[in-house]
Amino acid sequence: GENVEQHPSTLSVQEGDSAVIKCTYSDSASNYFPWYKQELGKGPQLIIDIRSNVGEKKDQRIAVTLNKTAKHFSLHITETQPEDSAVYFCAAGTPSGGSYIPTFGRGTSLIVHP
Amino acid sequence: EAQVTQNPRYLITVTGKKLTVTCSQNMNHEYMSWYRQDPGLGLRQIYYSMNVEVTDKGDVPEGYKVSRKEKRNFPLILESPSPNQTSLYFCASSFSTGVAGELFFGEGSRLTVL
Repeated sequence: GENVEQHPSTLSVQEGDSAVIKCTYSDSASNYFPWYKQELGKGPQLIIDIRSNVGEKKDQRIAVTLNKTAKHFSLHITETQPEDSAVYFCAAGTPSGGSYIPTFGRGTSLIVHP
Repeated sequence: EAQVTQNPRYLITVTGKKLTVTCSQNMNHEYMSWYRQDPGLGLRQIYYSMNVEVTDKGDVPEGYKVSRKEKRNFPLILESPSPNQTSLYFCASSFSTGVAGELFFGEGSRLTVL
């Protein structure tokens, strides 16, 4: 099955700095790559996703890049703010037998210091 | 308001005492799933359901049961809970199993088994 590795597990930055979280996946059939943000005491929420026919996608201060050849994708957050502090999960979605089940990375705890 | 509702949010129980965590979604989603979240291990899938009366094992199904008698409900049953099932549990749903899309998560149920 699919295996998703996520690094780093913890990331501490100063407000205004950029943050980058990296993920690798193993199954070349995976073609959907969402990122979820989990704030304290809440369930994860989708913040951005990318499909394999696109190399980069941007939404205001967040962007995701995908390198299919190397099987890795990254989340970039620019001009970080304290409210960006959360746990971020990457995932890889693999079509299989009519289903589309995402495999999650282990998460990155992002701390933005004011 | 579109949402996934889990109950209870917090529960402390003792080894062997059967319990059920309920999950309900009001978005007419086909796909529903249960995850457990443990420190350093990320989100691991327990069971999922692609539609009514269709359920399948995820990565960590041992000690759990599920049922999907109605489209909106997907309860998680622990027949004989053990301390290693102490965890934070999330129910999630998605519109379609055949197309990769956003997973909507509940707020989580924190379970402690003594």
